[in-house]
Amino acid sequence: DAKTTQPNSMESNEEEPVHLPCNHSTISGTDYIHWYRQLPSQGPEYVIHGLTSNVNNRMASLAIAEDRKSSTLILHRATLRDAAVYYCIANAGNMLTFGGGTRLMVKP
Amino acid sequence: SQTIHQWPATLVQPVGSPLSLECTVEGTSNPNLYWYRQAAGRGLQLLFYSVGIGQISSEVPQNLSASRPQDRQFILSSKKLLLSDSGFYLCAWRKGRRELFFGEGSRLTVL
Repeated sequence: DAKTTQPNSMESNEEEPVHLPCNHSTISGTDYIHWYRQLPSQGPEYVIHGLTSNVNNRMASLAIAEDRKSSTLILHRATLRDAAVYYCIANAGNMLTFGGGTRLMVKP
Repeated sequence: SQTIHQWPATLVQPVGSPLSLECTVEGTSNPNLYWYRQAAGRGLQLLFYSVGIGQISSEVPQNLSASRPQDRQFILSSKKLLLSDSGFYLCAWRKGRRELFFGEGSRLTVL
């Protein structure tokens, strides 16, 4: 896995968009960028992944920089249920290694 | 649809006792299987992964072991638990490079 760097924590207000950054400057051409999130006392759940192009799904959007050295997970309207630890992973092989992630706190 | 189950959900064990956590996946074949551990307040640590029956890769040397006796069964074991083995153990499966699906987790407390 390429090393990823994320802020330890971020705060957001409910109903506002959230942009969660991730740096992966050593990413290789075949590494996919994966995002997972973990709610308290649960296992992580898949959010989104991409390779080069921006991606959208029902949960979030993934914006990938043109040089692929960074990406941003976008939650369009944060809800209290989005409070979780968000993990960014850059990986091409069988192993998915989770770093410290970003703890997102959502204020009502 | 695919499902993953792991058990037991919670267990309290004395130091030096054995451990066996089981994980089964349904609705798919030849998945990649993983065991992760999360200590209290910490991130996820990959312990073992398997790409097929009898094929186990260990990421961290320790007193734990894993086995895959059947295609969709993954077992985490220890002969003698340490206090430091306490944590939240998560089994996961993946098909190729697709997303990773996690089980409900097993919370182990070693006293």
